[in-house]
Amino acid sequence: SQQGEEDPQALSIQEGENATMNCSYKTSINNLQWYRQNSGRGLVHLILIRSNEREKHSGRLRVTLDTSKKSSSLLITASRAADTASYFCATDAGMGRRALTFGSGTRLQVQP
Amino acid sequence: DGGITQSPKYLFRKEGQNVTLSCEQNLNHDAMYWYRQDPGQGLRLIYYSQIVNDFQKGDIAEGYSVSREKKESFPLTVTSAQKNPTAFYLCASSSGRGTEAFFGQGTRLTVV
Repeated sequence: SQQGEEDPQALSIQEGENATMNCSYKTSINNLQWYRQNSGRGLVHLILIRSNEREKHSGRLRVTLDTSKKSSSLLITASRAADTASYFCATDAGMGRRALTFGSGTRLQVQP
Repeated sequence: DGGITQSPKYLFRKEGQNVTLSCEQNLNHDAMYWYRQDPGQGLRLIYYSQIVNDFQKGDIAEGYSVSREKKESFPLTVTSAQKNPTAFYLCASSSGRGTEAFFGQGTRLTVV
């Protein structure tokens, strides 16, 4: 099952612009995480936000979480060509399955 | 260096063959996971293990088998019962439920 659905599926921007990706999920969660994947590589953890948090920052990353709407957003500010990658949200649903469930991802292309 | 290692990077399987993908971690993590990724798609959970000698099916376990005899190792066997095994396989580990997952670099399996 795909707990999270990212929007948009693909995003192309110019270097220096901000990139915003959204994630919606279906069930209640303990936390939500964002990961990055360069083409043909493994995933790298970016940031974790707990269900009782509304916003979190890490460097050029800003994550928000709205549990009432079951949605999260990832903002990358002042994007760089090196930010080109796929970005996935992942949820820990808090009951039953003890593993992360990943969304379908947003493919970000940053043009130099 | 601590990390998680998958091997081989590329694997070719003939029709009707079983193949085993290796996943080893030296992070002292209790939990390990196997995910499958198809082109342009998100990750789907195959199997996961929270502790040695115990594992649970994920969403797409049919045609796959695993073992967890050692904390460091979680091999995945793709059996001949898996009708469409061509995909990118990712192994991950974490210190526990809902924590950051560390991924290997993946194994790309192709049926020839």
